[in-house]
Amino acid sequence: EDKVVQSPLSLVVHEGDTVTLNCSYEVTNFRSLLWYKQEKKAPTFLFMLTSSGIEKKSGRLSSILDKKELFSILNITATQTGDSAVYLCAVEAMGSNYQLIWGAGTKLIIKP
Amino acid sequence: NAGVMQNPRHLVRRRGQEARLRCSPMKGHSHVYWYRQLPEEGLKFMVYLQKENIIDESGMPKERFSAEFPKEGPSILRIQQVVRGDSAAYFCASSPERTKQFFGPGTRLTVL
Repeated sequence: EDKVVQSPLSLVVHEGDTVTLNCSYEVTNFRSLLWYKQEKKAPTFLFMLTSSGIEKKSGRLSSILDKKELFSILNITATQTGDSAVYLCAVEAMGSNYQLIWGAGTKLIIKP
Repeated sequence: NAGVMQNPRHLVRRRGQEARLRCSPMKGHSHVYWYRQLPEEGLKFMVYLQKENIIDESGMPKERFSAEFPKEGPSILRIQQVVRGDSAAYFCASSPERTKQFFGPGTRLTVL
């Protein structure tokens, strides 16, 4: 059965710290991996990764995919209280009718 | 370009009533997805539709739930004879292509 596992489930750090969120997957015929940020509303798109080893970067956020070891990490440097959210990872498999398989999310809390 | 719109934002129903949730995709998007999110849980795929067609409804309960995406107008997720366990946030997402889904603000359904 296809599955996506995120760790840790929750994380509390102080402003300015760097955090690394993990997403591992077991999916038949992997196509892409996506990261979303969810605050008290709908998830917002962060990154889509399809190739191993190519880092995607947006401001203080970056992400990379390892298709050999079947995982991705999301890094946030110099964290701010506005980074507090649930970070969701989703994987699409080819031939899946475009259905995304979602992880349970990592709840990140940034303390001032 | 307005984002994905959902209404109502909050819906309260008594057990046994019907709930109708509406989703208007972003302009130019012909793919619509419905997800359910229970408290403290990740997003669960329900159904994927293109205009006038249900492509994948494997995540949707076979009874009481139905979805449509007519040629004109919004996509509708319909829940008949609601029960307390249907209480959740229901998110709609749309995409112009197969991945990179954009989410609406969600409808929070409360069943009394």
